[in-house]
Amino acid sequence: GAGVSQSPRYKVTKRGQDVALRCDPISGHVSLYWYRQALGQGPEFLTYFNYEAQQDKSGLPNDRFSAERPEGSISTLTIQRTEQRDSAMYRCASSLIPGGGWNEQFFGPGTRLTVL
Amino acid sequence: GIQVEQSPPDLILQEGANSTLRCNFSDSVNNLQWFHQNPWGQLINLFYIPSGTKQNGRLSATTVATERYSLLYISSSQTTDSGVYFCAVEGSSNTGKLIFGQGTTLQVKP
Repeated sequence: GAGVSQSPRYKVTKRGQDVALRCDPISGHVSLYWYRQALGQGPEFLTYFNYEAQQDKSGLPNDRFSAERPEGSISTLTIQRTEQRDSAMYRCASSLIPGGGWNEQFFGPGTRLTVL
Repeated sequence: GIQVEQSPPDLILQEGANSTLRCNFSDSVNNLQWFHQNPWGQLINLFYIPSGTKQNGRLSATTVATERYSLLYISSSQTTDSGVYFCAVEGSSNTGKLIFGQGTTLQVKP
């Protein structure tokens, strides 16, 4: 497809379960970003990759959250032992040139996570 | 860190009216983007505009980087313009991360 794709689009899970969210960036885009958006607020940065290297994970809220991009394309955001406060829209974005100045980010449709 | 403030927080317009949305930021930026989050939750790119003026149909945007603000103009508004408009910036320290404002919620009535 032409844009950023994310799967699943909706995920309902029970507290304590692990979840894996997938992001497929625009073809040829070297940087990939993860954001989290609570209801009624703007997205907040979690982490980003240039190629396969994780550049900044300062936005990950705690060690239950991790992300990987092993081949520099598809990325997975994993949340272990989910809690109700993890419920949010998780958004992925990609950019053509390496992140860090002067590059436009394009967002996917998001994954709506609900933790019961 | 850099702060982003958008105004007004809410706006109700009659179809056909014009509007101006404002984004103030607290430090120098390398990147400024305007997005429209439609009622289905999609975040759509409107403008990449770290400085200068751009136009796309009924929408235009101006960023005055030296004075640390950006404006989004919507002319002849339509009901499909409804949704939340976000301004997002990346600071000049090249962090890679976009910092979003709280958004302006626009409702256009027929």
